[in-house]
Amino acid sequence: EAQVTQNPRYLITVTGKKLTVTCSQNMNHEYMSWYRQDPGLGLRQIYYSMNVEVTDKGDVPEGYKVSRKEKRNFPLILESPSPNQTSLYFCASSLESARGTEAFFGQGTRLTVV
Amino acid sequence: DQQVKQNSPSLSVQEGRISILNCDYTNSMFDYFLWYKKYPAEGPTFLISISSIKDKNEDGRFTVFLNKSAKHLSLHIVPSQPGDSAVYFCAAMSQTSYDKVIFGPGTSLSVIP
Repeated sequence: EAQVTQNPRYLITVTGKKLTVTCSQNMNHEYMSWYRQDPGLGLRQIYYSMNVEVTDKGDVPEGYKVSRKEKRNFPLILESPSPNQTSLYFCASSLESARGTEAFFGQGTRLTVV
Repeated sequence: DQQVKQNSPSLSVQEGRISILNCDYTNSMFDYFLWYKKYPAEGPTFLISISSIKDKNEDGRFTVFLNKSAKHLSLHIVPSQPGDSAVYFCAAMSQTSYDKVIFGPGTSLSVIP
């Protein structure tokens, strides 16, 4: 089954404790992206990747890092999480680009930073 | 300052009638637009898209209209069904930031049986 898998689904952590949210897709997609969803703000793009070793900043990259060492995986790293990073996070992938091809989203990771 | 606006946070429509969801944008460099639907506890799913070279795109019950001069697009759902009840996000992409996606805040649609 074609899917985008995020882990964990729920995470509560403390300020400053490094964490990684994993994202994996099994569709051989080139384009992957991370978003955060906050009330009244919709989805905001954090980082995206056009292919292996190619990443670029989205709208709200501060406080986040990503890597794309393999095509299928695109982890989101919070080196020193802060309470304002409490949010619902989504990973997405699409075949070549966010343009013209359908994007598939994971089920989301709800992160709480206390 | 939001570049993509969905000024109606919520909308209620009777089953069988038309649902019209609106989206306005400010950046004249946006040239590709998408609509996503999101159910609670799930990730968004792609619905329909439109390039700025078109003014209409249709897919089954869903039609997106683009008015470039007004920087406005709308999603029409005809006929509306209870399963269409979800949050709808409008999104836009710019020629200058080729693969960056900007989403609106969303409109929650309720279709009443």
